[in-house]
Amino acid sequence: NFMLTQPHSLSESPGKTVTISCTGSSGSIAGNFVQWYQQRPGSAPTTVIYEDNQRPSGVPDRFSGSIDSSSNSASLTISGLKTEDEADYYCQCYDSTNWVFGGGTKLTVL
Amino acid sequence: QVHLVQSGAEVKKPGASVKVSCKASGYTFTYYVLHWVRQAPGHGLEWMGWFNAGNGNTYYSQKFQDRVTITSDTSASTAYMELTSLRSEDTAVYYCARGERYLADYWGQGTLVTVSS
Repeated sequence: NFMLTQPHSLSESPGKTVTISCTGSSGSIAGNFVQWYQQRPGSAPTTVIYEDNQRPSGVPDRFSGSIDSSSNSASLTISGLKTEDEADYYCQCYDSTNWVFGGGTKLTVL
Repeated sequence: QVHLVQSGAEVKKPGASVKVSCKASGYTFTYYVLHWVRQAPGHGLEWMGWFNAGNGNTYYSQKFQDRVTITSDTSASTAYMELTSLRSEDTAVYYCARGERYLADYWGQGTLVTVSS
C-alpha cells in the first residue's frame, strides 16, 4: 500500500520560513497530484495547496508547494511565518482510486 | 460562496448505525464529487470514500466498504454518509468535502459521532 510520510512536528519563529516534507513510499509521487490541508485546533481542514503547487483564492502567496521527483517527495513551504500559521498540516494524494493522507505535521510558531 | 453544512453531533451504542448529512450550497451540486473523511480524537485524517453527485457513482475505501454507504438527495443538494455496525473505534469527527476525485477544495464543519455503551 502506498504511504505518505511527514515529520511529526516542526517549530519555527515568526517571520522565518519553514518547509514541510511529504515522502511517498513507492512508485512516483510526481504525476499523482498532491494537496496540502491546514487544520487549526478545533477546526475543520482547509485547502492551502492543490495540484502540487496551486493556491486556492484567499490563500496568501506565503504558501507554496513543490514536487521533487528525485526524492519522491512533495513539500509545503510557508514563508514569513505568522502565529496564525500554527496548525496541523496534512499532505494528500490520489492512488488510482483511493485517497492517501500523510500522518500530519504539527507546526508550532513561537 | 460554497458552503457545506453538516448535521449535528450523534451518540450511538455499539452495533447501531449512524447517518450524517451534508447540505451543499453556493454551487451546482451535480458538478462535483463529495468525499467523506473522518478524524478520531487525537489522530490524523482518514479517507472513507467519494460520491459523484453527477452520476451517482461511489467508491469506498477498502477499510469501510462493507459498512459505509454514501447517497444523496439531489433535489435538496444534500449528501448522506451512513456507517453501520458501529464500534468504539468509530468515535470520530466526520467531514464531508467537495472537490474532484483526487482533491477537496471546500470542507464541511464536521460532525462528532460518539459510540459508547
